[in-house]
Amino acid sequence: ETGVTQTPRHLVMGMTNKKSLKCEQHLGHNAMYWYKQSAKKPLELMFVYNFKEQTENNSVPSRFSPECPNSSHLFLHLHTLQPEDSALYLCASSRADQSSYEQYFGPGTRLTVT
Amino acid sequence: GNSVTQMEGPVTLSEEAFLTINCTYTATGYPSLFWYVQYPGEGLQLLLKATKADDKGSNKGFEATYRKETTSFHLEKGSVQVSDSAVYFCALSPLGGGNQFYFGTGTSLTVIP
Repeated sequence: ETGVTQTPRHLVMGMTNKKSLKCEQHLGHNAMYWYKQSAKKPLELMFVYNFKEQTENNSVPSRFSPECPNSSHLFLHLHTLQPEDSALYLCASSRADQSSYEQYFGPGTRLTVT
Repeated sequence: GNSVTQMEGPVTLSEEAFLTINCTYTATGYPSLFWYVQYPGEGLQLLLKATKADDKGSNKGFEATYRKETTSFHLEKGSVQVSDSAVYFCALSPLGGGNQFYFGTGTSLTVIP
């Protein structure tokens, strides 16, 4: 039990579709993250939210749109994606504002863009 | 800047062999260091961590020591099992860097019976 859940676990979408990924954490944390994991590449941090406020956006294309309605939920809205966006999308959470606090990850959503 | 460099994989070992996965880092100040493990089809799980120089993190028979002089955090296990087959990631979080993490590229380990 990781305490961080993600849905769906697998998603296949066309380039013109709109879909959303959902993440929920049950750990009482106040920071949440989206990462992209592609084969043969380091984890790419996409977005960071601290206390529901976005604090990092690492030059992510606008076709990815995050939403954090509260400290326990995080969404990633997807539209007009490209095949190179196919990857494993990982959500994580942690306590905020301390470098020594570890991040807890969900199982990921495997996204395939056709 | 901040970065993590891990040894290239994949690594294949026989059961009960000794494991070392090298990790070196570049950081401003004194970061916290972590090892994460990712089993097939799952997200990353924290394996161990160290928050200051000379600290040793340990868990499930794995160990890593925070070496400031060599900027290293090598992962070791004395006797690996088939169930240890996974991808291992070294990571750092800079001191005063809020909650930003920097991950290595991962090292795939396969343990054969």
